[in-house]
Amino acid sequence: GDSVTQTEGQVALSEEDFLTIHCNYSASGYPTLFWYVQYPGEGPQLLFRASRDKEKGSSRGFEATYDKGTTSFHLRKASVQESDSAVYYCALSETEGADRLTFGKGTQLIIQP
Amino acid sequence: GPKVLQIPSHQIIDMGQMVTLNCDPVSNHLYFYWYKQILGQQMEFLVNFYNGKVMEKSKLFKDQFSVERPDGSYFTLKIQPTALEDSAVYFCASSLDWGGEQYFGPGTRLTVL
Repeated sequence: GDSVTQTEGQVALSEEDFLTIHCNYSASGYPTLFWYVQYPGEGPQLLFRASRDKEKGSSRGFEATYDKGTTSFHLRKASVQESDSAVYYCALSETEGADRLTFGKGTQLIIQP
Repeated sequence: GPKVLQIPSHQIIDMGQMVTLNCDPVSNHLYFYWYKQILGQQMEFLVNFYNGKVMEKSKLFKDQFSVERPDGSYFTLKIQPTALEDSAVYFCASSLDWGGEQYFGPGTRLTVL
């Protein structure tokens, strides 16, 4: 079945550092890829999505590019702020015939001031 | 933005009892979802629901689980009887369209003793 792998369980950075959270996926079809962010006490909320190879999704300074060749959708941000501290989930959804999200385990991002 | 509410935030029950988890979805949304997250693991799809019917369910959606949304009120997940392995955080989500953005609630933490 489909799966999403996030290699980092936790990332600790200082303000203004560069962020990369790795996401690789395995899917039988041509999935849509998502990044969700979850703040304490809240549910996950969509950061952005991408549906086609080489498409870049972006929001609030975060970005990721759909790479079908390496089956990756790595999250990046050039300069993190303390307010970015949250859990980040990579997810996918099959394009045809299904309406369910498959999530990675999540990456806890801790930003120290 | 649109909010999904979940009641209660935490429920503790004895194994074998029945439990109902309540979700108040975004008011004009038509599609409803439940996901389950065991501590330290990824969020996993349970079921989606539209127009009074289950559209898809995963192998995690055991015979002891049922969902309904009577008369446009809460969207509920009922577990009867509960088992120890049902201990998890259950997230409800809703969306306007099939394949549309899913809006998540903050989750209900269920502890089965």
